[in-house]
Amino acid sequence: QKEVEQNSGPLSVPEGAIASLNCTYSDRVSQSFFWYRQYSGKSPELIMSIYSNGDKEDGRFTAQLNKASQYVSLLIRDSQPSDSATYLCAVAIQGAQKLVFGQGTRLTINP
Amino acid sequence: DAGVTQSPTHLIKTRGQHVTLRCSPISGHKSVSWYQQVLGQGPQFIFQYYEKEERGRGNFPDRFSARQFPNYSSELNVNALLLGDSALYLCASSRLSGSSYEQYFGPGTRLTVT
Repeated sequence: QKEVEQNSGPLSVPEGAIASLNCTYSDRVSQSFFWYRQYSGKSPELIMSIYSNGDKEDGRFTAQLNKASQYVSLLIRDSQPSDSATYLCAVAIQGAQKLVFGQGTRLTINP
Repeated sequence: DAGVTQSPTHLIKTRGQHVTLRCSPISGHKSVSWYQQVLGQGPQFIFQYYEKEERGRGNFPDRFSARQFPNYSSELNVNALLLGDSALYLCASSRLSGSSYEQYFGPGTRLTVT
């Protein structure tokens, strides 16, 4: 079992709709979770961090964390073509001083 | 404020050669981590340094080494390059060392080994 798993997609969403990206992780003691956006040919850009169960909202982005189910998600409201990118879920492994990334979900927003 | 900077941007090397990649963290950040990203995959952790000490090491061979300088900048060295070392090498900085601190990536160095 991979430490962090994401559906690689591609996920296609019409402009203006809600894009839902999901991630599961295997390490029960993980405490910190991050979402990065990566445009083709560019480096990952941090867009959300979440540490507690529940929802965290920042503009059009909402991160959701459920530690009991070992599940973290990212919702993008009012999706724009500029949101088309690969979204990487990252989990901080407690005590190991590293981020473990999923393989990323490629999201395409169709005008 | 300037973000994380890395040099060079692109690099082409031949099998068996040595390469040195450089990274300067965000001002005020004391921790630097190195990741390798191959096409279609998420970044894989190589090293973390904090206050010039290695704080974490990923599952990479001893051909990979790194160090951090008193100004918190860092170098990643790879010896005896293999074709499989071709990848995007990413440096990330964080304010302190620890799992709760956000890591911010530089633009990366694209290494091609022929």
